Amino acid sequence: QVQLQESGPGLVKPSQTLSLTCTVSGDSISSRTSYWSWIRQHPGRGLEWIGYIYHTGTTYYNPSLRSRLSISVDTAKNQFSLKLNSVTAADTAVYFCVRDGYFGSGSYFPDYWGRGTLVTVSA
Amino acid sequence: ETVLTQSPGTLSLSPGERATLSCRASQTVTSTYVAWFQQKPGQAPRLLIYGASSRAAGIPDRFSGSGSGTDFTLTISRLEPEDFAVYYCLHYGDSLHTFGQGTKLEIK
Repeated sequence: QVQLQESGPGLVKPSQTLSLTCTVSGDSISSRTSYWSWIRQHPGRGLEWIGYIYHTGTTYYNPSLRSRLSISVDTAKNQFSLKLNSVTAADTAVYFCVRDGYFGSGSYFPDYWGRGTLVTVSA
Repeated sequence: ETVLTQSPGTLSLSPGERATLSCRASQTVTSTYVAWFQQKPGQAPRLLIYGASSRAAGIPDRFSGSGSGTDFTLTISRLEPEDFAVYYCLHYGDSLHTFGQGTKLEIK
């Protein structure tokens, strides 16, 4: 059974960097049939895809966040991480780490999710 | 970037009724790259449908997806009490994911 667990500070000050790590179990982050994503959900709102990474280090980012965003992978620890710079209150959200599994014909969809972690941006 | 618009925003139905949820794309998309998710309060979303019409593992057959081009539909044939939740469509394209804004399915 694939499991993902987010970890990191629940409170970040404005203008600082939001850093989260996702620890994966039950699957190898080096799998050729998976991408590893971050998705967030603002309180009471819908889902926003942040970006994802392949085990080779190739990344794809949401254009609206690209200038502030970095996603990295640590294959030795079976983890991947998110860094979002210069945060504001608008970055307050539940952050989910997610596995995108391969579903054929070149398509990848989020099939395993962490429980999510609330990050609040406030002084 | 493809924008997905879901309708209605809220759907009020009773258990046993049929639910029809719509997802419209701002441009023609390949159905292979369309999925549907269910999210209950305090939980992570769950993949229901991928490739517009294929059920994910463990999803009851009362859930079905259809559509092509710009119009996609999630149908729940007979609502069970546990089906009342928020539903999102998703498009995977150009190495990006785009979500619709969601439809809340509530008990009438």
